[in-house]
Amino acid sequence: GAGVSQTPSNKVTEKGKYVELRCDPISGHTALYWYRQSLGQGPEFLIYFQGTGAADDSGLPNDRFFAVRPEGSVSTLKIQRTERGDSAVYLCASRQTVTGELFFGEGSRLTVL
Amino acid sequence: SQQGEEDPQALSIQEGENATMNCSYKTSINNLQWYRQNSGRGLVHLILIRSNEREKHSGRLRVTLDTSKKSSSLLITASRAADTASYFCATDAGSGGSNYKLTFGKGTLLTVNP
Repeated sequence: GAGVSQTPSNKVTEKGKYVELRCDPISGHTALYWYRQSLGQGPEFLIYFQGTGAADDSGLPNDRFFAVRPEGSVSTLKIQRTERGDSAVYLCASRQTVTGELFFGEGSRLTVL
Repeated sequence: SQQGEEDPQALSIQEGENATMNCSYKTSINNLQWYRQNSGRGLVHLILIRSNEREKHSGRLRVTLDTSKKSSSLLITASRAADTASYFCATDAGSGGSNYKLTFGKGTLLTVNP
């Protein structure tokens, strides 16, 4: 596709449920990032993939959060036992190798009731 | 944690005026980037300035970087109502050269009144 695609755009779930958020990056971009953005705040780094491997997962808040990128393209962010504090917009970005510019998707807005 | 801090938090100006936003950061960086975000939308990259550069231009945008003061500024000249958005600075402070793990500030909300 032309840009970074994220699905779903909105997800409402109940506390304790499991959630998956999907990111389809720009074709050919080997680096992929997940960020989380709360209202009125800047994006907060979660995890960064280079190819299939997680190069830096230091931003994942706890072991309820996990992300995969099995074939080096599409990535899935998985959240177990969701809590109300997980409510935020989850942003995915892929990086243009030459310029270093990040291209962001529109985000997945997660609401945990 | 957020390394960059934008100033001011909010800025309201009239169309045609210039808008200046500042960003301060704490650690040494490889590069600094500015992004724009319209309400409820994804972020759009505006400009990247490397640690060995002092000034960069792109259209109506001018970015400066002072590594001795650990600060950057974004100037938007001849602002338009369509420039209304939140503006974020983001720093790449990864070790071993640029790895583009960007740390964002809280942003400046710019409102340009027609």
